[in-house]
Amino acid sequence: KAGVTQTPRYLIKTRGQQVTLSCSPISGHRSVSWYQQTPGQGLQFLFEYFSETQRNKGNFPGRFSGRQFSNSRSEMNVSTLELGDSALYLCASSGRTGGTSPLHFGNGTRLTVT
Amino acid sequence: TQLLEQSPQFLSIQEGENLTVYCNSSSVFSSLQWYRQEPGEGPVLLVTVVTGGEVKKLKRLTFQFGDARKDSSLHITAAQPGDTGLYLCAGASGAQKLVFGQGTRLTINP
Repeated sequence: KAGVTQTPRYLIKTRGQQVTLSCSPISGHRSVSWYQQTPGQGLQFLFEYFSETQRNKGNFPGRFSGRQFSNSRSEMNVSTLELGDSALYLCASSGRTGGTSPLHFGNGTRLTVT
Repeated sequence: TQLLEQSPQFLSIQEGENLTVYCNSSSVFSSLQWYRQEPGEGPVLLVTVVTGGEVKKLKRLTFQFGDARKDSSLHITAAQPGDTGLYLCAGASGAQKLVFGQGTRLTINP
């Protein structure tokens, strides 16, 4: 069974630009969550999608948005990039929604904003 | 807001030693998960504990969930260089999102 796939692995963008990250969950998983990981803040929850609906949202500004498609693949978009958005963005899939479900993480997209 | 505090934040020990890392909260969780993350990779689930007082063993790793379901510990016996990584605990409460601790960065020196 293929794991969670995130593309691209690395991105370098300039402040003010926008970026779209992609995540393909494990086959059959309908829940996709996104996390931002930085050395100072650890893993911060961005949002969770289940069956194309956003189920939970973290405390991030509206520049961070996401969506999920009918095949459960998900994208997240960050507009008007800031230097502080530099981080590892992790996607995780699960067979069901809710915090008690184990998460299967991808290897992340490393975003650098210059 | 539910918070999980992990201690220590950094730990560097010699191969063969034993160690314990802790995950504490003032909140009650219905379950607690432990993950290990290696450089360049995403976190990988090690174990889920769901019952207060529960102890689970995974080879040389022993996980315990506190009786009150507010804390957990991970004990590693005879640590090996392959145990090096970032250990994350994450607490769940019903339908709420999973809350992660800041992690313990463990280095095992040969």
